Amino acid sequence: EADIYQTPRYLVIGTGKKITLECSQTMGHDKMYWYQQDPGMELHLIHYSYGVNSTEKGDLSSESTVSRIRTEHFPLTLESARPSHTSQYLCASSPRPEKLFFGSGTQLSVL
Amino acid sequence: AQTVTQSQPEMSVQEAETVTLSCTYDTSESDYYLFWYKQPPSRQMILVIRQEAYKQQNATENRFSVNFQKAAKSFSLKISDSQLGDAAMYFCAYRSLLNTGNQFYFGTGTSLTVIP
Repeated sequence: EADIYQTPRYLVIGTGKKITLECSQTMGHDKMYWYQQDPGMELHLIHYSYGVNSTEKGDLSSESTVSRIRTEHFPLTLESARPSHTSQYLCASSPRPEKLFFGSGTQLSVL
Repeated sequence: AQTVTQSQPEMSVQEAETVTLSCTYDTSESDYYLFWYKQPPSRQMILVIRQEAYKQQNATENRFSVNFQKAAKSFSLKISDSQLGDAAMYFCAYRSLLNTGNQFYFGTGTSLTVIP
């Protein structure tokens, strides 16, 4: 089974701050994903990566950016956080089509 | 794009009883995966059960089983002998086998309460 880690677990910040949400997995999965999850809503894909130096935007428009310099690391950055960015962010990785592993999520609150 | 619909925002079940969560999906693809994921409060989302579309036999994992109706594009989850630990949000998900773009699509979830 995969181990996938997200930090921080909770984050409260002020408007205009730059933040980076960390996501790391230890199983060498090529495919990684960032989802945004709001209460009562489906998970929305905001970014994905199929390997090192490969990143794509997902279905949900997002002002965040991602990077994939190493296989195990897929951080998400908000250059200037706004209250509309308040949400839960889930990172996931996938070794094969039939498997998708999730991190514990980061609950972000922007005041 | 594929869509996944869970029409039951909330469900409840008496402990030890059986409950069925509904899921329908829309796709033009013939081969794909379907999943049920469980997300307990403030905890990690984990896989409950998985179904390959090319398999006619319904998947089963201990107390969890699915009713997969490919023609109807229906994929319901049955939980037998419900336990307090089953209380969680349950998400139905579809996984395309196309190798480009978004591949996983999720429903809006069903919140399951287990009554002691």
